[in-house]
Amino acid sequence: GQNIDQPTEMTATEGAIVQINCTYQTSGFNGLFWYQQHAGEAPTFLSYNVLDGLEEKGRFSSFLSRSKGYSYLLLKELQMKDSASYLCAVVDSNYQLIWGAGTKLIIKP
Amino acid sequence: DAMVIQNPRYQVTQFGKPVTLSCSQTLNHNVMYWYQQKSSQAPKLLFHYYDKDFNNEADTPDNFQSRRPNTSFCFLDIRSPGLGDAAMYLCATSRVQDRPSEQYFGPGTRLTVT
Repeated sequence: GQNIDQPTEMTATEGAIVQINCTYQTSGFNGLFWYQQHAGEAPTFLSYNVLDGLEEKGRFSSFLSRSKGYSYLLLKELQMKDSASYLCAVVDSNYQLIWGAGTKLIIKP
Repeated sequence: DAMVIQNPRYQVTQFGKPVTLSCSQTLNHNVMYWYQQKSSQAPKLLFHYYDKDFNNEADTPDNFQSRRPNTSFCFLDIRSPGLGDAAMYLCATSRVQDRPSEQYFGPGTRLTVT
């Protein structure tokens, strides 16, 4: 079966750095997305990785290791508005998105 | 601004009373998706359209139907809502089906079943 694993919840302090991990087992791999979802709102796109390595975009970076079936999202200089769920989603061999359940990130002052 | 619009944002229906949720897009994307998302769970794909080509997920209950009369509009019909159908329903679009493509989401419709 296809499986995406993320921690259910994480807590971090304003101004700090947090890393949210995602491991996956899917039938084929055509890339990995990270989405941010604030409570009661729709997911919004953060990043897409298809090659190994780190992609940096402002305060957010995303890393991929295809051989390990592993990705992480790194958030720097955390702000209170970063409190949200972060969803990892993998594109399988049929170009379907397989979603993780998301990691709820709580930022404390 | 190009966007995905869902109406209504909040919908209350009675057990067994049919309900229709609507989605429209100004992005001119070929692919439209309907997802069901329950609290703290992953979005669950119900169906998607590539142009007018309808694709039903194997585990989508027969109680859920969809229509896409044109490129811009897509509807989700729940014929006899049960208490378990209370959820957020998300509509999304993407440009193409056959390669990885970012999905653009509408704000969602939160469905309550009484």
